[in-house]
Amino acid sequence: GQNIDQPTEMTATEGAIVQINCTYQTSGFNGLFWYQQHAGEAPTFLSYNVLDGLEEKGRFSSFLSRSKGYSYLLLKELQMKDSASYLCAPMDSNYQLIWGAGTKLIIKP
Amino acid sequence: GAVVSQHPSWVICKSGTSVKIECRSLDFQATTMFWYRQFPKQSLMLMATSNEGSKATYEQGVEKDKFLINHASLTLSTLTVTSAHPEDSSFYICSARSRGITEAFFGQGTRLTVV
Repeated sequence: GQNIDQPTEMTATEGAIVQINCTYQTSGFNGLFWYQQHAGEAPTFLSYNVLDGLEEKGRFSSFLSRSKGYSYLLLKELQMKDSASYLCAPMDSNYQLIWGAGTKLIIKP
Repeated sequence: GAVVSQHPSWVICKSGTSVKIECRSLDFQATTMFWYRQFPKQSLMLMATSNEGSKATYEQGVEKDKFLINHASLTLSTLTVTSAHPEDSSFYICSARSRGITEAFFGQGTRLTVV
């Protein structure tokens, strides 16, 4: 079957760094997306990795290891507005996104 | 990035009535549209995938006669929840993708409350 494994909830301090891990199993693989979702809103795109390695985009970076079925999202210089759920979504062989429940990130002052 | 507009943002309707939700791609041709439902603190659940000009493909367990999807043009797809009941209350989200493009863009979502 297909499944996603992320921590349910994480807490971090404003200004700090946090890494959200994701392991996945899919039927085929066409890349992996990370989305941010604030409560009551639709997901917004953060990153897309299709090759192994680290992709950096401002305060956010995303890493992928296809052989390990593993990805992480790294958030630096945390701000209060980063409090949200972070969704790891790999894309299977049919180009369908596979969704987990996401990681709720709580930022404390 | 590309813009997908979903309307309405929220709607309250009486049990037994039907509700139509629109999803428009504003600056690109959406050859494929996806409709999701999300209950509080749960993951997005794909309801159906529609390709322009074709019938939608529904996921297992989703009643196609209850959730009518129309994708008649390259910029518009609609989801109609027929004979809505309180258990249909949820957050409905569409996303749209253009042929040859991997990323799908999300609408703002529609909060449906059936009373």
